[in-house]
Amino acid sequence: KAGVTQTPRYLIKTRGQQVTLSCSPISGHRSVSWYQQTPGQGLQFLFEYFSETQRNKGNFPGRFSGRQFSNSRSEMNVSTLELGDSALYLCASSLTGGSTDTQYFGPGTRLTVL
Amino acid sequence: TQLLEQSPQFLSIQEGENLTVYCNSSSVFSSLQWYRQEPGEGPVLLVTVVTGGEVKKLKRLTFQFGDARKDSSLHITAAQPGDTGLYLCAGARYGNNRLAFGKGNQVVVIP
Repeated sequence: KAGVTQTPRYLIKTRGQQVTLSCSPISGHRSVSWYQQTPGQGLQFLFEYFSETQRNKGNFPGRFSGRQFSNSRSEMNVSTLELGDSALYLCASSLTGGSTDTQYFGPGTRLTVL
Repeated sequence: TQLLEQSPQFLSIQEGENLTVYCNSSSVFSSLQWYRQEPGEGPVLLVTVVTGGEVKKLKRLTFQFGDARKDSSLHITAAQPGDTGLYLCAGARYGNNRLAFGKGNQVVVIP
């Protein structure tokens, strides 16, 4: 069974640009969550999608958005990039997104904003 | 303010030694999970604890959930270099499926 895949693995952008990251969950998983990981703040929850609907949202500005497609694949978009957006962006998939449901993380996309 | 505080932030020990790391909060959790993350990879789930006072063992790793469901510890016996990694705890509060993560305990086991 293939794991969670994220593309691209590395990305370099400049301030003001926008970026789209992609996540393909494990086959059969309907919940996809996105996290931002930085050394200073650790892993912070961005949002969760289930059956194409955003079910939970973290405390991030509106520049961060996402969507989920009918095949459960998900994308997140960051517009008007800022230096502070440099981070490892992780997505995780699970069957239903329940609190005790096992989340499987992808390897992440390392975003650097110059 | 971090909902989950992990200590120590960094720990370096010799192979064969024992170690304990902690995950503390003032909030009560319905469940708590421990993950290990290695460089260049995403976190991998090690264990989920759901009952106050629960103890779970995974080979040389022992996980305990506090009686009050506010804290947890991870004890590694006879650490090996393969135990090196960032250990993350994550808690789910009642009525909220969203996981809150601590910043992690960076463990380095020196051969």
